[in-house]
Amino acid sequence: DIQMTQSPSSLSASLGDRVTITCRASQGVAQDFAWFQQKPGRPPSLLILDAFTLRSGVSPRFSGSGSGTEFTLTISALQAEDIGTYFCQQYTSDPPTFGQGTKVEL
Amino acid sequence: QVQMEQSGPEVKRPGASVKISCKASGHTFNSYGISWVRQAPGRGLEWMGRIIVYNGQTTYSRKLLGRITMTADRSTDTAYMELKNLRSDDTAVYFCAMVTFGGVIVKPTDYWGQGTLVTVSS
Repeated sequence: DIQMTQSPSSLSASLGDRVTITCRASQGVAQDFAWFQQKPGRPPSLLILDAFTLRSGVSPRFSGSGSGTEFTLTISALQAEDIGTYFCQQYTSDPPTFGQGTKVEL
Repeated sequence: QVQMEQSGPEVKRPGASVKISCKASGHTFNSYGISWVRQAPGRGLEWMGRIIVYNGQTTYSRKLLGRITMTADRSTDTAYMELKNLRSDDTAVYFCAMVTFGGVIVKPTDYWGQGTLVTVSS
């Protein structure tokens, strides 16, 4: 199975800060890679597909980059509604695997 | 608008089975799959398996082989996930999620059920 390692596991930032979350795959996943945001009591919400394609309706504050084994999610200017936990996922091969999550707090 | 509606919370004894349903509506996909993902309290996301609705083909997590069965009813766009021989560490919120196909790659979507809490306790 492909292991996904996210960092940091949690971070504290201020409104307006630029926030970066990294995910590393144990082997190459091309660009078959997604980012999700999850808020307490809610299912995950897809932010980015195929490493950098923003899902329709997602704020352009979010951007994704990377390919192969290193991926980055950037929030250009943190807003209060961005608070939550972020997960990465590879889907290049079964089983699809998730990172352990990054909790973003103010 | 695509909606995924899951069945309600369950409380089960160790050794029992649970079967959760997930009904998809409002979609226009000719071919799609349903993945099941669970999340233990305060933990991350664990992929459990997937079923392709139009042909019933399943792929299961190796960890759950022998205990899990996924089925789907094309006529009602409803998928089911049954987990047998429940243990306390099966206590989790179980999500269904629609997936689509990009060539040979199975891609996630933003269409998830609301989650079903399964509590396993004696």
